[in-house]
Amino acid sequence: EDKVVQSPLSLVVHEGDTVTLNCSYEVTNFRSLLWYKQEKKAPTFLFMLTSSGIEKKSGRLSSILDKKELSSILNITATQTGDSAIYLCAFYFIQGAQKLVFGQGTRLTINP
Amino acid sequence: NAGVTQTPKFQVLKTGQSMTLQCAQDMNHNSMYWYRQDPGMGLRLIYYSASEGTTDKGEVPNGYNVSRLNKREFSLRLESAAPSQTSVYFCASSELGAGRSPLHFGNGTRLTVT
Repeated sequence: EDKVVQSPLSLVVHEGDTVTLNCSYEVTNFRSLLWYKQEKKAPTFLFMLTSSGIEKKSGRLSSILDKKELSSILNITATQTGDSAIYLCAFYFIQGAQKLVFGQGTRLTINP
Repeated sequence: NAGVTQTPKFQVLKTGQSMTLQCAQDMNHNSMYWYRQDPGMGLRLIYYSASEGTTDKGEVPNGYNVSRLNKREFSLRLESAAPSQTSVYFCASSELGAGRSPLHFGNGTRLTVT
């Protein structure tokens, strides 16, 4: 079964810290990886990396795909309380039926 | 800028009752999706519609039916609700399909089945 595992499941840091969230997968044949941020309601899109891409950046957030380690990390530098959210990653697999599989999410809390 | 609109926002049902969750998008997207979100389990796909007139099962379709009424609207029906269907339900749409372009989510429906 295609599986996506995120770690840690929960993380509490102080404002200004840098955090690294991890997303690993167990199938090598995928088309893309997506990261979403979920505050109180709907998940909102952050990044999409294709299997041929390596890194994306947007302000204090960046995401790297490590195809050798079958994982992706989401880095947030100089964290702010507004970064508190659940961060979801999802892989779009193309082995058998094409499908987007989400990880369980990492709950990030930034304390002032 | 409505995006994806879901109704209702909250619903309480008794076991065995039926209901329909409504979803509409105004972005002219071809693909639409229904997910459920349970604690510790991420988002799981119930049904999706790659284009108007087509629907397909996702990971957890049992107990649900869907209708792609037109390009804008995609509804999810629970024919006989069970406590295991207590969850938060999200509708989403995508311009080119999941994996090719981002999903845009509605604000969710919190459903409780007693």
